Amino acid sequence: TQLLEQSPQFLSIQEGENLTVYCNSSSVFSSLQWYRQEPGEGPVLLVTVVTGGEVKKLKRLTFQFGDARKDSSLHITAAQPGDTGLYLCAAFYGQNFVFGPGTRLSALP
Amino acid sequence: DTGVSQDPRHKITKRGQNVTFRCDPISEHNRLYWYRQTLGQGPEFLTYFQNEAQLEKSRLLSDRFSAERPKGSFSTLEIQRTEQGDSAMYLCASSGDFLGELFFGEGSRLTVL
Repeated sequence: TQLLEQSPQFLSIQEGENLTVYCNSSSVFSSLQWYRQEPGEGPVLLVTVVTGGEVKKLKRLTFQFGDARKDSSLHITAAQPGDTGLYLCAAFYGQNFVFGPGTRLSALP
Repeated sequence: DTGVSQDPRHKITKRGQNVTFRCDPISEHNRLYWYRQTLGQGPEFLTYFQNEAQLEKSRLLSDRFSAERPKGSFSTLEIQRTEQGDSAMYLCASSGDFLGELFFGEGSRLTVL
């Protein structure tokens, strides 16, 4: 069983559509991060959420941290082909960062 | 370029050979992480250094894997007697803050034939 579960595993949408991806756990975290990874590259940090119920916006991306700090969501408004990639959530656990399996998004023109 | 750099970017080797990967972190970062990523999966933690001290090593890591960070600067990850199951992308990341952002390199892709 993975510490962080992500859903859906794959998502294919048309340009202009909205979407939400989820990151869930049975554990409570002091903070949670979202990364995006493009093929052949390392992950790049999008946002860190630290407060239960917190909502952060980054242009067309909206991130929410659950009230109980066990889950998070990423909502993309009006997806563009440039949003294509692997979206990973990560949390600090023990002495290292643990990653979820990711949601692979394909935004088609 | 002051980002995290990894070398080589690609390595093809035959089963049973030894391979070594190098990671140069962002110079002021004292924390360095190694992860392994297979196709379609998220990064899997391998080991972590704070300065030159290796503070944590995954139980999933066999004795064939060893990592060093002499002088708390660059790090190397060596895999001895490679197996086909070792084929993966090996990612290095550094961080300057406790619980802070991880800055990843572009990874070293290993293919074991």
